[in-house]
Amino acid sequence: AQTVTQSQPEMSVQEAETVTLSCTYDTSESDYYLFWYKQPPSRQMILVIRQEAYKQQNATENRFSVNFQKAAKSFSLKISDSQLGDAAMYFCAYRYWRTNFNKFYFGSGTKLNVKP
Amino acid sequence: SAVISQKPSRDICQRGTSLTIQCQVDSQVTMMFWYRQQPGQSLTLIATANQGSEATYESGFVIDKFPISRPNLTFSTLTVSNMSPEDSSIYLCSAIGQGEAFFGQGTRLTVV
Repeated sequence: AQTVTQSQPEMSVQEAETVTLSCTYDTSESDYYLFWYKQPPSRQMILVIRQEAYKQQNATENRFSVNFQKAAKSFSLKISDSQLGDAAMYFCAYRYWRTNFNKFYFGSGTKLNVKP
Repeated sequence: SAVISQKPSRDICQRGTSLTIQCQVDSQVTMMFWYRQQPGQSLTLIATANQGSEATYESGFVIDKFPISRPNLTFSTLTVSNMSPEDSSIYLCSAIGQGEAFFGQGTRLTVV
């Protein structure tokens, strides 16, 4: 079974500053997807960013970027210019590449607090 | 992207009763998933619901306790049967679209 590990249960960042959330995973596959999802208090899970393992270039989405280290099986999320609305639970997730195997594996989550 | 409407958003139920949670997707999807999430915790997959076949349950979850229906490619229900306080949790439905997962708003269930 695949495992996804988030070692930081909770983190805090000052508004406008940068924070990095860590994620490691275990897999024997060479092709897969990685995701970061955000879950605010409203409970609605929202995709923040995704990365295909075959792509060497790190994904970016506005203030969100990842540091994908395939050999180290590491997938960290960097949030720049943090905003109050970034406060949420963040889940790292893994999915197989195979189209007939769509199960997602989620980490335990990191609660991000943003201080004004 | 897909939009998933899930209802009810919350409910308080008596032990021994059953609750059915509904999820409606605004587009056709092959697979839907049902998760359970304790507040502040990660998501635990209950089962995968495929249209036209029986749901596939994860270890620790059984059909008699969590029957699932998937009558078409846009709709699914999860029933929590014979509820006990231990079933109090958040239940989420999810679907895959364009390679990523989309989620309903969740149902917060409290069993008293």
